[in-house]
This record gives sequence, C-alpha cells and structure tokens, in this order.
Amino acid sequence: ETGVTQSPTHLIKTRGQQVTLRCSSQSGHNTVSWYQQALGQGPQFIFQYYREEENGRGNFPPRFSGLQFPNYSSELNVNALELDDSALYLCASSWGAANTGELFFGEGSRLTVL
Amino acid sequence: GNSVTQMEGPVTLSEEAFLTINCTYTATGYPSLFWYVQYPGEGLQLLLKATKADDKGSNKGFEATYRKETTSFHLEKGSVQVSDSAVYFCALKQGGANNLFFGTGTRLTVIP
Repeated sequence: ETGVTQSPTHLIKTRGQQVTLRCSSQSGHNTVSWYQQALGQGPQFIFQYYREEENGRGNFPPRFSGLQFPNYSSELNVNALELDDSALYLCASSWGAANTGELFFGEGSRLTVL
Repeated sequence: GNSVTQMEGPVTLSEEAFLTINCTYTATGYPSLFWYVQYPGEGLQLLLKATKADDKGSNKGFEATYRKETTSFHLEKGSVQVSDSAVYFCALKQGGANNLFFGTGTRLTVIP
C-alpha cells in the first residue's frame, strides 16, 4: 500500500510569486484535504477535494486554489505569495466525502517566502 | 466556534514515567475527538479517537476518555518509552463537517 506523498519537500519563493504543491493520495483513497501548519501551530484546514470538486473550504483567501485529478492526486496553488504564507503544507487523504476524521497525512512541503 | 486547547510544551520525561497531556475543546453539539502524533521525519498519523461521550480511545498503550462534562480529552500513558518522543496534536471534528480543528501540539521528549 502506497502512502501519501508530497512534492517538493522544501522550496523557497519570493513575495508575489506563485507556487504549486503536489500530492499523491494513498491508494484506494478518493478524497484529499490540504492543511497549512505555521511554525509552532497546529494544522489549519485550507480545503478538501472529492471527485475532482472542492468539497469544503476553510478561512483562506481565493488566492489559495486547488485541483484534483482523475487519479485522485491533487495540487495546491498559491498566488501572490505573502510572507505569512511561509509554513508547512500538509496533504491528507481519506475515503469518501463523509470524512470520519481518520486522515492519512504526507510529510508535507515546507514553503519559505522571502 | 470550534477550538482545541492543549497544554503547552515542551514536556520532558524520563523513560517509564507517567504521561498526561491535557486537551480541552469548545464546540457545538457532539464532536468526535482525536489524538494525532507526528514522529520526527514522518507525517501526522492518527493515534486514537473517540466519537461520543464517555468513549475511551486507546492505542499503543495510550488512552484518552471523551469527557463531555469537562469538555476534555486528555491523553495518558502509564509508562513512556524513548520511542514515544514526538509532537502530539489533539483535534476535533464536528458531525457533518469535513475538516479537523487541531490544537497547537505538545512536544514530548523521553530521555533514557
């Protein structure tokens, strides 16, 4: 069974740039959620994708957007990067839209915005 | 709104010591409660959960009881090991919602 994989593991961007982060869900899972974990904080929900549609969104501005592909992998895109976007971005997969709360997380992509 | 408050760390214990990490929550209705653990170099993983009042979740020697009267879900282990060193996150999920609310995490270090 293949776990959740994320890429890249680390990246550095400058303010105003755009970034794309990628996630492959665990085999057999059709739902992907993205979380932002700032330093010293707990993960915060960005959005969830189920069957290629956004299925819930946290308190993040529209410059945070995503995609889910037919193979259930996903991308997180962030436009017009700000310094406060520096964080660990976590992808989690699960089965079904009725989320039981049992999520399988990747190791994350650490984004630094200078 | 929904929120989770965890005891601040870091926590340092000697091997075989008793562990308690406090977690309290604010939520409407009857949320499900979780403890997730993040070992060094690994992704978050579910440690245990409880879905209704008075339920006890347990795994790997860890336990937590869903206490509605005190809105708490404290994590306990009777005898910690060096391999338990990790960051522990308490989380809740409202019924019908599709996201988790996490606490800020508590870093545990167990020394031999």
